[in-house]
Amino acid sequence: EVQLLESGGGLMQPGDSLTLSCAVSGFTFSNFGMAWVRRAPGKGLEWVSIISLSGGRTHYGDSVQGRFTISRDLSRNTLSLQMNSLRVDDTAVYYCARIPPSRFFYFIDVWGKGTTVTVSS
Amino acid sequence: EIVMTQSPASLSVSPGERVTLSCMASQSVGSDLAWYYQEPGQAPRLLFYGASIRTPSTPARFTAGGSGTDFTLSISGLRSGDFALYYCQQYNDWPTFGQGTRLEIK
Repeated sequence: EVQLLESGGGLMQPGDSLTLSCAVSGFTFSNFGMAWVRRAPGKGLEWVSIISLSGGRTHYGDSVQGRFTISRDLSRNTLSLQMNSLRVDDTAVYYCARIPPSRFFYFIDVWGKGTTVTVSS
Repeated sequence: EIVMTQSPASLSVSPGERVTLSCMASQSVGSDLAWYYQEPGQAPRLLFYGASIRTPSTPARFTAGGSGTDFTLSISGLRSGDFALYYCQQYNDWPTFGQGTRLEIK
């Protein structure tokens, strides 16, 4: 069974740093692009970041560019999101997501259940 | 960034009825359009990609179509489990979602 399991969410203060992790199983991790997508309270879904199959190419949404870093460890089947200089408007449920092969910008075929990040003073 | 606009924002309908949801792109995305469904407290689930390609788990009561800037998702014979949030997403460029359409029970 394909599974994506996020962890690392929590209550943070503005300016803090936090790392989210996503442990994947049930498929060959290196054959798929991966992404982080978030949903802020009362708002819609927003793509945060994408990473290619090998990890050699990444892309970020404008709202997190320069503050967040996506990475993947193929030996540990883990996707990570390093979040620096957190802001109140980063408060959201963060989903780990799988992207089918073939294209970098694509759709999501499998989602994790999400981990909640709350940024508040 | 390509802006996706969904309409209506919410829709109240009775079980058994048919509904059509709309999604419009600010510029042409060809057929690079996906639809998702999200129940409260759950992760989204992929319904369609390529504008009209149904996933194996999507019931035949659901149909989707369109190209360029205008897309639709139709659901016939609405069931209780269909009342949720529906999102469209383009992937012609940096992916962006619409703001969602909430389908509610009348």
